[in-house]
Amino acid sequence: KQEVTQIPAALSVPEGENLVLNCSFTDSAIYNLQWFRQDPGKGLTSLLLIQSSQREQTSGRLNASLDKSSGRSTLYIAASQPGDSATYLCAVTSGSRLTFGEGTQLTVNP
Amino acid sequence: GAGVSQSPRYKVAKRGQDVALRCDPISGHVSLFWYQQALGQGPEFLTYFQNEAQLDKSGLPSDRFFAERPEGSVSTLKIQRTQQEDSAVYLCASSSSRGLNTEAFFGQGTRLTVV
Repeated sequence: KQEVTQIPAALSVPEGENLVLNCSFTDSAIYNLQWFRQDPGKGLTSLLLIQSSQREQTSGRLNASLDKSSGRSTLYIAASQPGDSATYLCAVTSGSRLTFGEGTQLTVNP
Repeated sequence: GAGVSQSPRYKVAKRGQDVALRCDPISGHVSLFWYQQALGQGPEFLTYFQNEAQLDKSGLPSDRFFAERPEGSVSTLKIQRTQQEDSAVYLCASSSSRGLNTEAFFGQGTRLTVV
């Protein structure tokens, strides 16, 4: 059974700092990996999708990497802003389902 | 529509009551998924449709949970005889591909509270 772990569970940083969120998964037989953002009381917003054949994807200040063989992904956020405060979820695709981690709750302080 | 739409946004049910949650996926999306998210947890898979066919329902927690997508578009998740442990946010997602080869888009969710 696929298991996804995210570290740290919570992170608080000052505005402007660069930061890294970590995600690990136990079964490397995945189709892709997706990073989501969830604001309190809201649904999930897709940030980046990395196919299993890819090593990284970039969107604006976000960069996600994937090392499938070691079962790891990182989400790098450059020059963090208070508006980045949210819970970040990592999910891997196996078969017909996404398996999620429990998320990292990020707070960026002005 | 522009995105995945779910209704109602909030539902309070008395224990033992039946509820129905609706999901309108992005137009033309083949795949539709339901997830359950407990407070402070990541979403957990419930079921998957490809068009009108329910291909995977292994995540449904009990036979009180039933999902359908009769015309391959709108889907309804029904929970019979609700229990307190059913309290959670129910998320719907759709994808343009068969399965999850492409990006999954999620709705805002329905927050169900069973009292």
